[in-house]
Amino acid sequence: GQQVKQSSPSLTVQEGGISILNCDYENDMFDYFAWYKKYPDNSPTLLISVRSNVDKREDGRLTVFLNKSGKHFSLHITASQPEDTAVYLCAAGASSSFSKLVFGQGTSLSVVP
Amino acid sequence: GPKVLQIPSHQIIDMGQMVTLNCDPVSNHLYFYWYKQILGQQMEFLVNFYNGKVMEKSKLFKDQFSVERPDGSYFTLKIQPTALEDSAVYFCASSLTRGDSGNTLYFGEGSRLIVV
Repeated sequence: GQQVKQSSPSLTVQEGGISILNCDYENDMFDYFAWYKKYPDNSPTLLISVRSNVDKREDGRLTVFLNKSGKHFSLHITASQPEDTAVYLCAAGASSSFSKLVFGQGTSLSVVP
Repeated sequence: GPKVLQIPSHQIIDMGQMVTLNCDPVSNHLYFYWYKQILGQQMEFLVNFYNGKVMEKSKLFKDQFSVERPDGSYFTLKIQPTALEDSAVYFCASSLTRGDSGNTLYFGEGSRLIVV
């Protein structure tokens, strides 16, 4: 089954608005959570990550929220810009499992004027 | 930033033939990975490799698959023989230390393999 799930395949947001991308996971052993950004025919690039000992991490316009009891984490992008248009992949890993990140299917974000 | 290069970017191959996908990881990295993404599905872990050995592999890493990094050159994924279900984009990644410990995995742009 899908251990990491992004239920929204696509999202459209107005320029200047807040983009909220969601990810659910199943494995209680996951203790590392990350968001990757991917342009077509390009490599996935790490945007931001958190470990399970925090429930929020901010980096500029990006904030990751982690809800361990709900097995859910999200990425908020404030002041969304057209260049934020891309596919966003969530990923989770367990330090007990050697370097094996589990990815979601991705959410395609479109930021429109 | 650090770059992982993959060669070839695209390859079409007849079923039953052998294919080798090459990865040039970030120069000082020690851990190497292959992920497989079938069209419309998520990237899935295939295998990781450290110190000349496979450390962990998934059920997708069939007996027909092998990985190696001879003498610090390319990190390669070989499929012999190929099957139709091997058609996918294969992403290579590398990290300086263990990727699950919060250390960044750097990905290549992928090698699109089409088996006909």
